Amino acid sequence: DTGVSQDPRHKITKRGQNVTFRCDPISEHNRLYWYRQTLGQGPEFLTYFQNEAQLEKSRLLSDRFSAERPKGSFSTLEIQRTEQGDSAMYLCASSPADRGHQPQHFGDGTRLSIL
Amino acid sequence: DQQVKQNSPSLSVQEGRISILNCDYTNSMFDYFLWYKKYPAEGPTFLISISSIKDKNEDGRFTVFLNKSAKHLSLHIVPSQPGDSAVYFCAAIEDYNQGGKLIFGQGTELSVKP
Repeated sequence: DTGVSQDPRHKITKRGQNVTFRCDPISEHNRLYWYRQTLGQGPEFLTYFQNEAQLEKSRLLSDRFSAERPKGSFSTLEIQRTEQGDSAMYLCASSPADRGHQPQHFGDGTRLSIL
Repeated sequence: DQQVKQNSPSLSVQEGRISILNCDYTNSMFDYFLWYKKYPAEGPTFLISISSIKDKNEDGRFTVFLNKSAKHLSLHIVPSQPGDSAVYFCAAIEDYNQGGKLIFGQGTELSVKP
């Protein structure tokens, strides 16, 4: 069990550029979640996958955001035409779905800074 | 609307004493509650959880109490240690079988002084 891995840890980019983040969940965890955390707030839910199916998206996830989990393993989160307000910590979490209530395990996040 | 609220942004406690962190919620459909601890530059780490059918769950130095009628839960840490200094988040789940997304409070920063 190597934990949830996120890459990169930090991303600095200019406004208007596209960025992509990667998340590798704990192996055999079929649920994968993306959250966003801004300063002084708790993480906010963005979207969730069960295996390769994206089953829920928050209204926070504008058209500029897209997430994929093509083979039910790793996931990517892409932000197109970044804006200043996208600056945040993007957290990925995973959990098994078939063993009752199981806590989500989080990665260390990708910190995005928009110049 | 903030469905999960942690009204104390910070708490300072002496080493060896009890730390009590509080959390209030508004959605009576929440059926599972969790506490996470977060150190700077790291992701949240799961600490302890409680189902809505229980009123107490204990794990070592950590105990979570749930008062459903008051829509309130609290985390007790006894005895507090300097290594417990971190931001603590309360989180709730409305329906685990429908995805289990976590709804977090704003966090309480705990400082345990030697």
